[in-house]
Amino acid sequence: QVQLQESGPGLVKPSETLSLICSVSGSSISSRSCWGWIRQPPGKGLEWIGNIGNLFDTEHTHYSPSLKSRVTMSLDTSKNQFSLRLSSVTAADTAVYYCARVYVQMDRQEAFDIWGHGTMVTVSS
Amino acid sequence: DIQMTQSPSSLSASVGDTVTITCQASQDINNYLNWYQQKPGNAPKLLINDASNLATGVPSRFSGGGSGTHFTFTISSLQPEDVATYYCQHFDSFPLTFGGGTKVEVK
Repeated sequence: QVQLQESGPGLVKPSETLSLICSVSGSSISSRSCWGWIRQPPGKGLEWIGNIGNLFDTEHTHYSPSLKSRVTMSLDTSKNQFSLRLSSVTAADTAVYYCARVYVQMDRQEAFDIWGHGTMVTVSS
Repeated sequence: DIQMTQSPSSLSASVGDTVTITCQASQDINNYLNWYQQKPGNAPKLLINDASNLATGVPSRFSGGGSGTHFTFTISSLQPEDVATYYCQHFDSFPLTFGGGTKVEVK
């Protein structure tokens, strides 16, 4: 049974960098796979942040254009984790952050089929 | 970027009613359309992928349809446990986008 768990600081100061880790169990991220980050501001809808994977034997990433200049994702195969870094945060980045597995069929990314429980990150001084 | 317009934003129906939500894409998304259910305080859950494929373990009262740019999501017999917000999302190309969500309540 594949499970994902987000971890990281619940409070980040404005202008600093938000760093989150998603720990994966029940599946190896070093296999051909893809993973994503999605966030949800309080009382609002879902916003895609980006995907990272290694479907083609090289690490590949796709980021939301609105966040691209501030986002970095990476894989840590030794720990079976992947991470999100979001720099220069403001109050608008306050949200629940979810990590998710991407369902892949015939090398095509299709859906977020397994989600972590989410972690609330507040940006405030 | 592909915009996903979901309607209605909220609805209230009785137990046993049929409920339909629509999702309009700003361009053809080749049926790469997913539906998620999010119950209060929980993470989203995938219900349907590729417009009409029911995810494993999802009750058959849930269904999806449509093609091209216009898609529908139907609950054929609304149950109290279906109270949730439902989101459509395309996976046709990057960047990915979600619809604004439909909050479903039971009268």
